[in-house]
Amino acid sequence: AQTVTQSQPEMSVQEAETVTLSCTYDTSESNYYLFWYKQPPSRQMILVIRQEAYKQQNATENRFSVNFQKAAKSFSLKISDSQLGDTAMYFCAFMKHSGTYKYIFGTGTRLKVLA
Amino acid sequence: EAGVTQFPSHSVIEKGQTVTLRCDPISGHDNLYWYRRVMGKEIKFLLHFVKESKQDESGMPNNRFLAERTGGTYSTLKVQPAELEDSGVYFCASSQDRVYGYTFGSGTRLTVV
Repeated sequence: AQTVTQSQPEMSVQEAETVTLSCTYDTSESNYYLFWYKQPPSRQMILVIRQEAYKQQNATENRFSVNFQKAAKSFSLKISDSQLGDTAMYFCAFMKHSGTYKYIFGTGTRLKVLA
Repeated sequence: EAGVTQFPSHSVIEKGQTVTLRCDPISGHDNLYWYRRVMGKEIKFLLHFVKESKQDESGMPNNRFLAERTGGTYSTLKVQPAELEDSGVYFCASSQDRVYGYTFGSGTRLTVV
């Protein structure tokens, strides 16, 4: 069975600074996807970034980038130039490339960006 | 394009009562998923529909939960009778492609007292 672990329940960062959220996972699958989702206080979850496991290059989306270490089963999210609108719950998620294509989520990290 | 709509947004019911949650997916999305987050814990998969058929209901906690998807359009999740441990946020998501284009609703916060 797959598991996803987010070891930081809460974090804070000053506006304009950089913060890294940690995520580790466990799987015996060789082909899978990893995701970071953001859930602002309005509660709709929004996809931040996606990584295909077969790709060695780390995914980036504007101020968001990941450090994907497949051998270590680590998938951290770096937010550069943090903005007040980045305040949210962040969930790391795993999806197997077969079957139901359902997410396995971590417990989330609550990030607060301070003015 | 309208998003995934869930209602009610909040529901407070007494233990033993029945509650029905509804999810309207994005039009044309064959895949519909239900997930649940119990306070402080991870978001867990409940079940997956493809059109009106249940493809995977391995995450349904027990037979007090009944999910339906009428005509492959909207879906309902009924809890009967509700127990205290059913409290949490219930999320619905839909997608046309199973990996890409997954869209979540805002969730229904269920509180059983």
